[in-house]
Amino acid sequence: KAGVTQTPRYLIKTRGQQVTLSCSPISGHRSVSWYQQTPGQGLQFLFEYFSETQRNKGNFPGRFSGRQFSNSRSEMNVSTLELGDSALYLCASSKDSGFTEAFFGQGTRLTVV
Amino acid sequence: AQSVTQLDSQVPVFEEAPVELRCNYSSSVSVYLFWYVQYPNQGLQLLLKYLSGSTLVKGINGFEAEFNKSQTSFHLRKPSVHISDTAEYFCAVMPGTASKLTFGTGTRLQVTL
Repeated sequence: KAGVTQTPRYLIKTRGQQVTLSCSPISGHRSVSWYQQTPGQGLQFLFEYFSETQRNKGNFPGRFSGRQFSNSRSEMNVSTLELGDSALYLCASSKDSGFTEAFFGQGTRLTVV
Repeated sequence: AQSVTQLDSQVPVFEEAPVELRCNYSSSVSVYLFWYVQYPNQGLQLLLKYLSGSTLVKGINGFEAEFNKSQTSFHLRKPSVHISDTAEYFCAVMPGTASKLTFGTGTRLQVTL
């Protein structure tokens, strides 16, 4: 059974650009959550999608957005990149919302220069 | 709102020695409790979780944790560590009403010979 797949694994972008990260959950899982991990702020919840609907949202500016497709794959987008957006972005999938076990992908390392 | 405090940022220990990683939480609602491990350049792997029932929870790789409601703690223990246990460990809580993990700042476990 394939795990959570995040692409790309590494990304370098310039300030002001936008970026799209992708997450393919485990087959049969309908909930996808996104987290940002930085040395300064640690692991912070971005948002959760379930059946193509955003169910929960963290305290991030509107530059951070996401969506989920009918096959449960999810994308997150960051517009007008800032240096502080450099982070490891982790995606987690679970069978349904209100999960009690989440499976994390290996993450996408975004560097903004 | 929930918060998680991991009192020790780093814990050095010799191989085959016991270890305890401390975690305290604060929440106005009932929560589920988790411990995750992160190896370098990897995502998060679930070690164990407390949902309800017995307060002593056993997880993978010989780890266990005890939920103490009166002290709002969920300390992680292992009776004998191995070099391969060297990693970052995160305590997390999730309210029963939302699929949103709040993480502690992590404890770096360094196992040496």
